[in-house]
Amino acid sequence: KAGVTQTPRYLIKTRGQQVTLSCSPISGHRSVSWYQQTPGQGLQFLFEYFSETQRNKGNFPGRFSGRQFSNSRSEMNVSTLELGDSALYLCASSKTADGYTFGSGTRLTVV
Amino acid sequence: EDQVTQSPEALRLQEGESSSLNCSYTVSGLRGLFWYRQDPGKGPEFLFTLYSAGEEKEKERLKATLTKKESFLHITAPKPEDSATYLCAVVNYGGSQGNLIFGKGTKLSVKP
Repeated sequence: KAGVTQTPRYLIKTRGQQVTLSCSPISGHRSVSWYQQTPGQGLQFLFEYFSETQRNKGNFPGRFSGRQFSNSRSEMNVSTLELGDSALYLCASSKTADGYTFGSGTRLTVV
Repeated sequence: EDQVTQSPEALRLQEGESSSLNCSYTVSGLRGLFWYRQDPGKGPEFLFTLYSAGEEKEKERLKATLTKKESFLHITAPKPEDSATYLCAVVNYGGSQGNLIFGKGTKLSVKP
């Protein structure tokens, strides 16, 4: 059974650039949520998509956005990158509220 | 405001030395409490879901329990391969399905 696939695994970007990260959920999972993980703040919720609609959004600036496609694959975009955006970005997919499976994440470094 | 606090931040054990990790939570209406294990550079790996006070679940050397205010992850006779960061998270009835609220984790080191 294929797990949650995130691409790319590593990314280095320059301040001011924008970046797009991709997440392919487990087949049959319609909910995809995104998290930012940093050593200081831990895992923080960014947003959640279900059937191509954003259902909830965390407390992040508007530079962080996302979308979900009809096949449940999701992308998140960060515009005008700042040094503080350096983090591990994780996505999780679920079929119900009983279980959330995480991908291996994308390590973003902003220089 | 929903909140999850884990203690201790770090725990060092000798192989075979049993212990417990704590997860205290404040949530408006608990829908589920989750335990995850995370190895460095990887995504969290699902361990358990608990739903109501008094519930217990076991997997190999791990046992998770739940009360109305906290959850414990008991580790019996740990081995070096149990070294990882253990994360606790909750979902409340008021939030959306995918909105897990995480604690900052307990970093466990087991020495041979």
